[in-house]
Parts: sequence; structure tokens; C-alpha cells
Amino acid sequence: SQQGEEDPQALSIQEGENATMNCSYKTSINNLQWYRQNSGRGLVHLILIRSNEREKHSGRLRVTLDTSKKSSSLLITASRAADTASYFCATEAGRRALTFGSGTRLQVQP
Amino acid sequence: DAMVIQNPRYQVTQFGKPVTLSCSQTLNHNVMYWYQQKSSQAPKLLFHYYDKDFNNEADTPDNFQSRRPNTSFCFLDIRSPGLGDAAMYLCATSETGALYGYTFGSGTRLTVV
Repeated sequence: SQQGEEDPQALSIQEGENATMNCSYKTSINNLQWYRQNSGRGLVHLILIRSNEREKHSGRLRVTLDTSKKSSSLLITASRAADTASYFCATEAGRRALTFGSGTRLQVQP
Repeated sequence: DAMVIQNPRYQVTQFGKPVTLSCSQTLNHNVMYWYQQKSSQAPKLLFHYYDKDFNNEADTPDNFQSRRPNTSFCFLDIRSPGLGDAAMYLCATSETGALYGYTFGSGTRLTVV
């Protein structure tokens, strides 16, 4: 069953702007991960944040996690046209495999 | 480069005709997964293997089966494909206890005619 909901479903911004995507989930987790998917392709792992972490950075990516609110956000700074893709959050809980959220489609206009 | 390879990239099959999708990995990961992703939807887990231990999701249709003959290979068999089975099928791997996420293949786009 789907664990997470993402918001917004679609986001269109100009190159150079920041993009923020939010994810909410329902159960306790071991970690939360963000993936990127270009149209018609597989998913690429971006970043993993453990349940005892609150913030993590990787290049232009910043992820926050609030376990009390069961929510996470992904910030992409200084976006580029090449960032255009769908972004999914996914949670790992217990021994269960990753459960994905509904995704955010990001369009970055050059 | 170590990777997850799915073949074929595109598969067209006839309604009701059995089809097999394949996945191989060079990462030597102990866990392999099959996800189904329909257009504009989240990937949905069908089943996964921890080593040779098979784990089937409760809502995976009986029409779907899987085989993992060794660490490197995993197959998805669809016994009698229906129009509703048209989707992208994604194979992924991971290593138990590792904190670097799953590695996905490029997927197989299945069309049922």
C-alpha cells in the first residue's frame, strides 16, 4: 500500500529558482529516501536520511525530516533545466521494502 | 560499472500469452525487488527476495510469479497478461543493512495487445 503522499503533484519553476517538494508518511520508519525518475526511465537514488537525523545535504539537495509530523521535504537549490524529472520519496520501515509516495513532477523552464 | 540490467527495454506481448522479464545485477547485492509502475503513479512493490527467501506482497495478483535462480539473476513471469498489466516493470537491488538506497534498472515497458 502507498505509504506517502507528496505535495505538490506538479511544480513548474524557472531555471535558477529553488524547488521544494514535500512528503508525508503514515508509520514509523527506519529511513526516508528520495529518488529521481526521468521520463520512461528507472529511478535514481538521491539521498537517504535516517530516522534519527533531521537534515542532510548533498550538493544542491537539502532534505529535512520531521518524525513528529511524519513529514520530509526536498529542496533543490538553483535549479537547472536538467533537473526536470519526477521526484519520489520512499520510506523503509522494519524489514519491509521501500514504499513510494505518489511523486512530484518538476518542470524547470530554461 | 556495477549495475542492474533489465532486458528487454520494451516488450510487446499478446493478451493471455505468457511473458518473462529478466533482471541481472553485477553488484552482488543480496536483495532483489520487482516493482510495477503504471503511468504517472508510484512504483508498487510486487515481490522481493532476501537471498533465496521469497516475499510476496499480499495484493500481488496470482498471475505474477518470480524466480531467482542465483544471486545475479531474477525473473518476472506473467502467466496470462491482461490489458491492465501494461506498465513499466522495475527491478532493483539492495544490500541488507546498507544505508545507500536501492539501485534500479532502467525498467521494461510492457505493452499488451
